[in-house]
Amino acid sequence: NAGVTQTPKFQVLKTGQSMTLQCAQDMNHEYMSWYRQDPGMGLRLIHYSVGAGITDQGEVPNGYNVSRSTTEDFPLRLLSAAPSQTSVYFCASRPGHISGNTIYFGEGSWLTVV
Amino acid sequence: AQTVTQSQPEMSVQEAETVTLSCTYDTSESDYYLFWYKQPPSRQMILVIRQEAYKQQNATENRFSVNFQKAAKSFSLKISDSQLGDAAMYFCAYARETSGSRLTFGEGTQLTVNP
Repeated sequence: NAGVTQTPKFQVLKTGQSMTLQCAQDMNHEYMSWYRQDPGMGLRLIHYSVGAGITDQGEVPNGYNVSRSTTEDFPLRLLSAAPSQTSVYFCASRPGHISGNTIYFGEGSWLTVV
Repeated sequence: AQTVTQSQPEMSVQEAETVTLSCTYDTSESDYYLFWYKQPPSRQMILVIRQEAYKQQNATENRFSVNFQKAAKSFSLKISDSQLGDAAMYFCAYARETSGSRLTFGEGTQLTVNP
């Protein structure tokens, strides 16, 4: 059971480049979300999804796009990378049918924008 | 909007002693969940303990327990018999009943365990 898998684990981008952080879960979870963690801070919600075809913005959505074409995958796209997007990114998921159930996190993707 | 506040950026404890980490939150909801997550240097997010707001009984997981004061909107974590492996960043987090996997995090408390 792989859980929540994020790729790549490490990435260096130049300012203005675009890229996609991949997130996949094999637990048939309905709810998925993306967070970023800046130094000395807690995680902040970027985008989330309550099911395939449904996405919405979180606290810090600017500069990011998401889509949810399948239950398993929830990619995060950086449209034009900026140094302010240097951060550690976490994907998370949980089942939708059980309230309050455990939220599963991926291991994080470390992104540096130079 | 919900907010979560951890007023202790750093804490330290002697091995085998007990330490309490503080967390307060602000919400107008009546049904919600509170969590403590541990984040070691690897950055992995590890769930330590979870509390449902409708439950009056404080959650306990082995050496970890919480003091949940709903009226005061306080949710502290007590670690008993501290071990070197407990050293990590600890985050308090809040989720509404219907929020899916949307969590609001505090800024964290860095816990050092001294041998």
